[in-house]
Amino acid sequence: DAGVIQSPRHEVTEMGQEVTLRCKPISGHNSLFWYRQTMMRGLELLIYFNNNVPIDDSGMPEDRFSAKMPNASFSTLKIQPSEPRDSAVYFCASSLSGADTQYFGPGTRLTVL
Amino acid sequence: DQQVKQNSPSLSVQEGRISILNCDYTNSMFDYFLWYKKYPAEGPTFLISISSIKDKNEDGRFTVFLNKSAKHLSLHIVPSQPGDSAVYFCAVQGGSEKLVFGKGMKLTVNP
Repeated sequence: DAGVIQSPRHEVTEMGQEVTLRCKPISGHNSLFWYRQTMMRGLELLIYFNNNVPIDDSGMPEDRFSAKMPNASFSTLKIQPSEPRDSAVYFCASSLSGADTQYFGPGTRLTVL
Repeated sequence: DQQVKQNSPSLSVQEGRISILNCDYTNSMFDYFLWYKKYPAEGPTFLISISSIKDKNEDGRFTVFLNKSAKHLSLHIVPSQPGDSAVYFCAVQGGSEKLVFGKGMKLTVNP
């Protein structure tokens, strides 16, 4: 069974450029989460969706960050414009529903120069 | 303010011995507690959990203990194996789908 799929696995970009991270959740899962991992802050929740609807985006750091989930099998996290402090590993996770176990993708390592 | 604290960034143990990983939380409203394990270049994977109505949950070599009065939980791995070497995240949940994670602790099990 395919797990959560994220692309790209690595992204290197220059400051000011737009970055789009992609996620395909596990088929049948109704909740999707975007996390960011940094040395300073650890693993922090940015936003989560339930049935394609954003439920809590309080973790999104600034207006430069936006996330969409146009359908049950696809989500994007966009950073525009990107800054060096956005460099981190971004994880997508999905769960069957509610408080069920979250399954994480392999992550996207973003480096902003 | 950190709601979940893993105060030790790393732990090194010998194969066959016990590994004890600790986690403290601040909010007594949290009612579900989890441990995730993460290998390099992979996403975290669920390991074991415990609800607030229990004080112990065991799954093979892994046992999680919850002390609600102290707002403290711990993960015991007995016996430790080299394959257990990873970063372990403590996470808490309360009233929603949101998980709040600690910063993680790197466990190294030496052969």
